[in-house]
Amino acid sequence: EAEVAQSPRYKITEKSQAVAFWCDPISGHATLYWYRQILGQGPELLVQFQDESVVDDSQLPKDRFSAERLKGVDSTLKIQPAELGDSAMYLCASSLDPKSRYEQYFGPGTRLTVT
Amino acid sequence: KQEVTQIPAALSVPEGENLVLNCSFTDSAIYNLQWFRQDPGKGLTSLLLIQSSQREQTSGRLNASLDKSSGRSTLYIAASQPGDSATYLCAVRMDSSYKLIFGSGTRLLVRP
Repeated sequence: EAEVAQSPRYKITEKSQAVAFWCDPISGHATLYWYRQILGQGPELLVQFQDESVVDDSQLPKDRFSAERLKGVDSTLKIQPAELGDSAMYLCASSLDPKSRYEQYFGPGTRLTVT
Repeated sequence: KQEVTQIPAALSVPEGENLVLNCSFTDSAIYNLQWFRQDPGKGLTSLLLIQSSQREQTSGRLNASLDKSSGRSTLYIAASQPGDSATYLCAVRMDSSYKLIFGSGTRLLVRP
């Protein structure tokens, strides 16, 4: 069964350092989402791509976060510089398209700890 | 602004019990509602998806209902098992933006 792949699974970094996460969606899924989940809370959308274009980044802290999906397939989320409050689970999800009836499928996540 | 609330925040039941998890939302203009399961430190697994025009969906021992007008959904788990222990999240997708808005989840423990 096709899955969303993410790496790394765990990342520990010091504050002020740069960190990057990678996501490979299910083949054929045009829409890709990055979520942040703070412990004890539900995920919150950071950015949504339709193919290579950003369609929603209203909750992305643009002073330190950036995301790209250059060829409309895999995607990278970067944080520079990392802050203590960025410690969270970063989840990637994909779906066939945003306006369909279809579900979002989630990857295993990257657990970030900033020290 | 849409707000999604899940009650209770945590639940502990003995094995074999039937149980209901609740989800409420403030804006009824939703496109669909999705229930997820999350095991500790893991990603989300989709359980059931209910379109706004539907009243319920069933999968095995799980049944999800949707009352759009009152802003409520319930997830019914029949004959609970220790393997059902996890956090259950509901999320709504709005008509206007199609992004998922999540509740904070219900942490379920099924005791053997």
